[in-house]
Amino acid sequence: DTEVTQTPKHLVMGMTNKKSLKCEQHMGHRAMYWYKQKAKKPPELMFVYSYEKLSINESVPSRFSPECPNSSLLNLHLHALQPEDSALYLCASSQSRWGADTEAFFGQGTRLTVV
Amino acid sequence: GDSVTQMEGPVTLSEEAFLTINCTYTATGYPSLFWYVQYPGEGLQLLLKATKADDKGSNKGFEATYRKETTSFHLEKGSVQVSDSAVYFCALSERGGSTLGRLYFGRGTQLTVWP
Repeated sequence: DTEVTQTPKHLVMGMTNKKSLKCEQHMGHRAMYWYKQKAKKPPELMFVYSYEKLSINESVPSRFSPECPNSSLLNLHLHALQPEDSALYLCASSQSRWGADTEAFFGQGTRLTVV
Repeated sequence: GDSVTQMEGPVTLSEEAFLTINCTYTATGYPSLFWYVQYPGEGLQLLLKATKADDKGSNKGFEATYRKETTSFHLEKGSVQVSDSAVYFCALSERGGSTLGRLYFGRGTQLTVWP
């Protein structure tokens, strides 16, 4: 199984709402990532979890709150977002060991629209 | 720091034409190199990879060779099909180290193939 599953596929939320994006993988990967992708741009890294610990935060605003409940799950909690946060949010996973192949597997993404 | 430079697009070709998308990189360590493909409305799929100098990655008729001397990883296909129309991203990640497998992406190249 080389699949990363993201839910929901589409999400429309108001600026005062609280919502969560979910990501799941069963490949035994110990590194998980959130990327944000705007139209016609490459993905931009937001967060990296390694062995369930937040290891990299690319200066993301606090209205985005990541969580890694266990080695298979990754959540992104959203609160008080702005319209400019509308984007495709991609989850990915890879092995996290020195010398290991760093090939990342991506989910299908959540298309988020903030109104 | 690490970075990837990818040729500007868009690229428009007729079916069965030859494809080249240029990619060069800058890296501080020992990177693995990747080509990812993104079809409309979808996440990223790994197309091919190479983990050390002179390795050739190949998949679905696409090929790319890891050239350390020219720091390049150009994507080629001898005969494109309409179904190859997508956005192609060149990317690198460092094996091990503090970057934890994060991907550095090129800008992406939109490929359109006409019948």
